[in-house]
Amino acid sequence: AQRVTQPEKLLSVFKGAPVELKCNYSYSGSPELFWYVQYSRQRLQLLLRHISRESIKGFTADLNKGETSFHLKKPFAQEEDSAMYYCALSQVASGGSYIPTFGRGTSLIVHP
Amino acid sequence: GAGVSQSPRYKVAKRGQDVALRCDPISGHVSLFWYQQALGQGPEFLTYFQNEAQLDKSGLPSDRFFAERPEGSVSTLKIQRTQQEDSAVYLCASSLGSGRSYEQYFGPGTRLTVT
Repeated sequence: AQRVTQPEKLLSVFKGAPVELKCNYSYSGSPELFWYVQYSRQRLQLLLRHISRESIKGFTADLNKGETSFHLKKPFAQEEDSAMYYCALSQVASGGSYIPTFGRGTSLIVHP
Repeated sequence: GAGVSQSPRYKVAKRGQDVALRCDPISGHVSLFWYQQALGQGPEFLTYFQNEAQLDKSGLPSDRFFAERPEGSVSTLKIQRTQQEDSAVYLCASSLGSGRSYEQYFGPGTRLTVT
């Protein structure tokens, strides 16, 4: 069965420090991985997906199949990055849609 | 344009009561998903619609949970005889299509508290 593990419930850093939010997964097929973010009092939204290989708001995430990881990184954290971050793995459901399995989330707090 | 909306935003129910949660997806979005998010956890999949067809309901925790989308737009999640363990935030999401390239857009959620 597919599983997503985010080992840290809370990550606290100072502004300007590097950030790495960890995500490990288990999945028998070819994984489709995402990071979602939820800012305070806002709704859950997609941050980035591994197939896009893009950098959003300075964040990047590289899929490492050998280590089954998809860690989210940013070289210099900003206060506005404070939010809840969820790693998700998509599985194929009936009808061909892709349904994410979410990790429990990591709360990132960036101190001034 | 308007995003996904959900109502009510908060619902308090006495144990044993039935509740109905509504989701208005983005206009034109084919796929609609329901998730349950318990405190301190990530969202967990409940069920999925493509237009009016419920294609996957494997995540519904019991037969007290029922979802419908009769005209392929608005969806209702109904919970019968609510129990305390049903207390959670219920999220709805919609996407334009069903393939892996389609982003899911989430609503603000309905926070259900069963007392």
